[in-house]
Amino acid sequence: AQSVTQLDSQVPVFEEAPVELRCNYSSSVSVYLFWYVQYPNQGLQLLLKYLSGSTLVESINGFEAEFNKSQTSFHLRKPSVHISDTAEYFCAVSTNTGFQKLVFGTGTRLLVSP
Amino acid sequence: GAGVSQSPSNKVTEKGKDVELRCDPISGHTALYWYRQRLGQGLEFLIYFQGNSAPDKSGLPSDRFSAERTGESVSTLTIQRTQQEDSAVYLCASKNRAEQYFGPGTRLTVT
Repeated sequence: AQSVTQLDSQVPVFEEAPVELRCNYSSSVSVYLFWYVQYPNQGLQLLLKYLSGSTLVESINGFEAEFNKSQTSFHLRKPSVHISDTAEYFCAVSTNTGFQKLVFGTGTRLLVSP
Repeated sequence: GAGVSQSPSNKVTEKGKDVELRCDPISGHTALYWYRQRLGQGLEFLIYFQGNSAPDKSGLPSDRFSAERTGESVSTLTIQRTQQEDSAVYLCASKNRAEQYFGPGTRLTVT
């Protein structure tokens, strides 16, 4: 079975500051890793994913995450946040075979203030 | 193209009543998942459909919960004799390769 731990339930930052949202996972088999974002009163959107290949993956809006197998981590980072990045961020893992259900962390609320 | 759609968007029901939630997946997506998101918590997997194979029901919390899907089309999630702890947002997702696309969810409130 897989599990995901997001250590921070809430991360307050000032606009233009860097941010890191932490995610650690547990699995006995190879996995795919995902970050989803949920803006206020909106549905869940895929932000970025790691399936294979380069361990550093990037999104179109400046976020990046690095898959670290030895530390079983997939932390999300952005060098300079905007007010519009305020949202709930969910880390998720699935196996890379079988029916690939997503196992989610409990989420981190990113609060960006001016 | 159209994304995953769900109906109703909001449902308020009295304890003990049955409810039915609907999901329209993206056309051509053979895999369909139901998840539940309770307030302040992450998403919990409920059930998975893949084509005409038997569904994986391992996440259903009780026998009051059931779901159906005909082929690769619409899916319905039914909750019988609703309880207050069933209050949550119910999310449906369909999958293309490794990526799951989520619908907007149905917010269920049991009073």
